[in-house]
Amino acid sequence: QQQVKQSPQSLIVQKGGISIINCAYENTAFDYFPWYQQFPGKGPALLIAIRPDVSEKKEGRFTISFNKSAKQFSLHIMDSQPGDSATYFCAAKSNAGNMLTFGGGTRLMVKP
Amino acid sequence: DVKVTQSSRYLVKRTGEKVFLECVQDMDHENMFWYRQDPGLGLRLIYFSYDVKMKEKGDIPEGYSVSREKKERFSLILESASTNQTSMYLCAVRDRGISDTQYFGPGTRLTVL
Repeated sequence: QQQVKQSPQSLIVQKGGISIINCAYENTAFDYFPWYQQFPGKGPALLIAIRPDVSEKKEGRFTISFNKSAKQFSLHIMDSQPGDSATYFCAAKSNAGNMLTFGGGTRLMVKP
Repeated sequence: DVKVTQSSRYLVKRTGEKVFLECVQDMDHENMFWYRQDPGLGLRLIYFSYDVKMKEKGDIPEGYSVSREKKERFSLILESASTNQTSMYLCAVRDRGISDTQYFGPGTRLTVL
């Protein structure tokens, strides 16, 4: 049972475009939603995270949008660059829990 | 940031062999995790340890065991490797600070022939 569903599985965007990756969750106890970025040959690294007390969080070109009623959150990458080409994972965790539940991942390719 | 080291980047083993994957952190964090990563399935939790000698099963513990004898070291054991355990294995350490971040090692690509 996949508690966090991520789409699309792969995404190709032109340089300068906007990359959008979506995630939906089922467990209403989740209250921490991080995004991880993974480059080939490396482990995932925390990119940005949000808690449900805000609907949006922005860090540079990366923005998380959060819709609590729809149980959805998304990552927007503005002005996408070839260096953003990586696999992105959304995840979720409840405050009482220790474990992250990950989405299936999105492989992003930004074409020059 | 926590530095997480995994013992091997690539490993090739034969069916039925016992396999040890080691993970070491350079700090003193209590929570350590073993995941496997497969295309389209994301990261699936195999086992979690919340302190020395303490462990909990994750989503896919079958065919695996773990050992945590020292705080900085968390080992994943495949008692009898099978071909369906061919995968990328990732170790992570949780920093329970403000950002509540998991720091990952570079991964071990295990192939079971």
